[in-house]
Amino acid sequence: EDQVTQSPEALRLQEGESSSLNCSYTVSGLRGLFWYRQDPGKGPEFLFTLYSAGEEKEKERLKATLTKKESFLHITAPKPEDSATYLCAVQATPGNKLTFGGGTRVLVKP
Amino acid sequence: SAVISQKPSRDICQRGTSLTIQCQVDSQVTMMFWYRQQPGQSLTLIATANQGSEATYESGFVIDKFPISRPNLTFSTLTVSNMSPEDSSIYLCSAGTGRRGYEQYFGPGTRLTVT
Repeated sequence: EDQVTQSPEALRLQEGESSSLNCSYTVSGLRGLFWYRQDPGKGPEFLFTLYSAGEEKEKERLKATLTKKESFLHITAPKPEDSATYLCAVQATPGNKLTFGGGTRVLVKP
Repeated sequence: SAVISQKPSRDICQRGTSLTIQCQVDSQVTMMFWYRQQPGQSLTLIATANQGSEATYESGFVIDKFPISRPNLTFSTLTVSNMSPEDSSIYLCSAGTGRRGYEQYFGPGTRLTVT
């Protein structure tokens, strides 16, 4: 059974204080690892897909990396608008099912 | 990417009744999915909505409770039947698109409260 564990569960940062979120996974065959951002009362917003170990992707202050066992989402010099829950999900072959982790709630204080 | 809308955005329903949630995608997509997000929790896949055939349900979810329709490549419905308070959740629709067709984009969700 595919499993995804995210840590920490919650993260409080000062504006400008960089940090990293962890997503550990076990999957029979990884097709892709997904990062989403979810604001309260809204659906998840797609951020990145990583397909192979060593791959990195960036978007504004966010950078996602992937190894064979885990992924990191680095937040560089965060701003209050980066406050959200960040969700990690794996997609295994065969099929298209996404298995989600529990999420990391990030609060960035000004 | 894909833009996905859902109706209704929220509803309050009485125990024993049914609610049908609609999901509309702005482009034709091969894959559509329905997820549930219980309060304070992450997302759990209910089923894959297959166009032209019966939906594929995940363990713990059954067709009698969550019937799904997929009449074409842009639209799907999920019905929550014979509701109980335990069905109070956010129900989310997603569509598979992107370079390899595997990237999933989500709708805004339907917040359901059962009293």
